[in-house]
Amino acid sequence: KAGVTQTPRYLIKTRGQQVTLSCSPISGHRSVSWYQQTPGQGLQFLFEYFSETQRNKGNFPGRFSGRQFSNSRSEMNVSTLELGDSALYLCASRPGGQNNEQFFGPGTRLTVL
Amino acid sequence: GEDVEQSLFLSVREGDSSVINCTYTDSSSTYLYWYKQEPGAGLQLLTYIFSNMDMKQDQRLTVLLNKKDKHLSLRIADTQTGDSAIYFCAESLSSNDYKLSFGAGTTVTVRA
Repeated sequence: KAGVTQTPRYLIKTRGQQVTLSCSPISGHRSVSWYQQTPGQGLQFLFEYFSETQRNKGNFPGRFSGRQFSNSRSEMNVSTLELGDSALYLCASRPGGQNNEQFFGPGTRLTVL
Repeated sequence: GEDVEQSLFLSVREGDSSVINCTYTDSSSTYLYWYKQEPGAGLQLLTYIFSNMDMKQDQRLTVLLNKKDKHLSLRIADTQTGDSAIYFCAESLSSNDYKLSFGAGTTVTVRA
């Protein structure tokens, strides 16, 4: 079974631009969560989607948004990029229900110049 | 990760056992996880334990949970050079909340 895939793997943007990152969960998994990893703040939860609905949201500004499609693929969008948005963005896939195993993708490394 | 604490570094000789420790503060944590991150990679789920368990063993990995002290440990037997990585402890708070709160990570260096 293929693992979690994230595209693109690397991205360079400039301040003020917007960016869209994509995540395809493991086949059959219905929940997708997003995390931001930075050297200063570590791993922080952004949001979780399940069956196309946002179920949980972390403490990030409204510039960070996401969505999930009917095939469980998810995208996250960051608008008006700031230098501090430079990070590794990780997506986690979970089967759903009471199963709490969460599997991460390789991440998208975003650099904001 | 302010509710999950880990020591930052561990150096271990190849062939010895490694023990990575973690403390958490939220007594309502239901699942506790160990993830491994190698340079330039995502997080690899190593194992997880439900809060009503004391111990879980999976090949070279042993997880011990002391719920009274809110202490979690990961023991890696016969540590190999491929075990060099950052290890993250994480908790999820309830059976309906799958958000993970992570520690800062422990960098494990295996020396020959």
